[in-house]
Amino acid sequence: QQQVKQSPQSLIVQKGGIPIINCAYENTAFDYFPWYQQFPGKGPALLIAIRPDVSEKKEGRFTISFNKSAKQFSLHIMDSQPGDSATYFCAAVGGTSYGKLTFGQGTILTVHP
Amino acid sequence: GAGVSQSPRYKVAKRGQDVALRCDPISGHVSLFWYQQALGQGPEFLTYFQNEAQLDKSGLPSDRFFAERPEGSVSTLKIQRTQQEDSAVYLCASSFRGPGADTQYFGPGTRLTVL
Repeated sequence: QQQVKQSPQSLIVQKGGIPIINCAYENTAFDYFPWYQQFPGKGPALLIAIRPDVSEKKEGRFTISFNKSAKQFSLHIMDSQPGDSATYFCAAVGGTSYGKLTFGQGTILTVHP
Repeated sequence: GAGVSQSPRYKVAKRGQDVALRCDPISGHVSLFWYQQALGQGPEFLTYFQNEAQLDKSGLPSDRFFAERPEGSVSTLKIQRTQQEDSAVYLCASSFRGPGADTQYFGPGTRLTVL
């Protein structure tokens, strides 16, 4: 049961490029949308998150754009660096009282020097 | 400060063996989650504890999977009679609060391989 769809599966950019990762959801009970970054052999770590009452949130080089009517949201990484090479997961929370995460399938990002 | 720790980091089991995976959450965290991450996929929810109470076990794939958190801190995920399809990384996460969306801090996971 795939409640959050993520694309692309993989992405390669040059240093300084702006990779964009997209996610779409169906469940209107979702009300919190975090992005996680995962390096090989590590657990996911929270990068940035947004609630649907705002259309954009920026933290450092990371920006989330949110389109509530389309039920879509995306992550933009400005001035990408080789150290940003990792797997990125979008996720959604809602429908329960305790913050259960529903993840997308992940995007493997490679930033070439 | 110490993050979420999991042990063992790697476990190889023969099909039919029982395994036990341990999670040590961040001290004082009320909520504890277990997720299963298949190769190349996003983590999928298994079960949730608020303190020692298991409030949601809807993600456990079969009755061979059992989780406990008897004193509201350390948690153990047990898999009985392991099957090859159980091969995955098992992630534990904890968060400070109980209700509501709160940042979940993940451990490094236990990679289970069933031969």
